Amino acid sequence: KAGVTQTPRYLIKTRGQQVTLSCSPISGHRSVSWYQQTPGQGLQFLFEYFSETQRNKGNFPGRFSGRQFSNSRSEMNVSTLELGDSALYLCASSFTDTLGQYFGPGTRLTVT
Amino acid sequence: KQEVTQIPAALSVPEGENLVLNCSFTDSAIYNLQWFRQDPGKGLTSLLLIQSSQREQTSGRLNASLDKSSGRSTLYIAASQPGDSATYLCAVIKTSGSRLTFGEGTQLTVNP
Repeated sequence: KAGVTQTPRYLIKTRGQQVTLSCSPISGHRSVSWYQQTPGQGLQFLFEYFSETQRNKGNFPGRFSGRQFSNSRSEMNVSTLELGDSALYLCASSFTDTLGQYFGPGTRLTVT
Repeated sequence: KQEVTQIPAALSVPEGENLVLNCSFTDSAIYNLQWFRQDPGKGLTSLLLIQSSQREQTSGRLNASLDKSSGRSTLYIAASQPGDSATYLCAVIKTSGSRLTFGEGTQLTVNP
C-alpha cells in the first residue's frame, strides 16, 4: 500500500504571499491531520479533517485553513505568509483513532 | 491540557548498548500512545502503537510499554546500531478526536 504523499516537498515564498500544500492519504484512510514542526515550538497540531469536515482545530490564526475532498485528499492554505511560518508541514492519515496515525515526508516551507 | 515530556532530551551511546527512552504524560485519559522516529529533515516513521487497553508492544529490537495510571511509557531499544541514530518522539491521543500531542523528542546518537 502506498504511504502518505505530500506535494510539493520544498517551497520558497516571500512574505505576504499565500501557499497551498497538498496531501494524499493512505488508501482507505478518511482522516487527515496537519501539523507544523519548528525548532522552537516542536510539533503542533493545525487541524484534522474527516469525511470532508473539519473535526478538530488547533490554536493557529485564521490565515491557516484547510479542506478535504471526496477522495480524502487534503489541502492546507496559508495566506499572508509571515517569516514565522517557515516550518516543516506534516500531514498524517489514519483509518480510525485506535489504529494510529501515519505521516508523510512533509513539505519544507521557507518564507523570505 | 495534556502535556508530554520526554527524558532525556539527548543521548549518545556506543553501538551494542541496550537503552531506554522515557515518556510521561499528564492526563491519563488517553486513547493510545504512539512512538515515532524522525530522521533529520524527514517525516515521522511510526514505530509502535500501544492502545489504551494494552501494556506493551514489540517490534524486532524495539519494545514499548505503557502504564496509564502513572502516565508513563518507555521505549526499549536492544543492541543499538548506528542506524538507530534519529530523534524519537512519543505522542498521545486523547479519548476523543484524532489530535496527537507530542513530546519534544529524544535525540539519539549511536556511535560505531
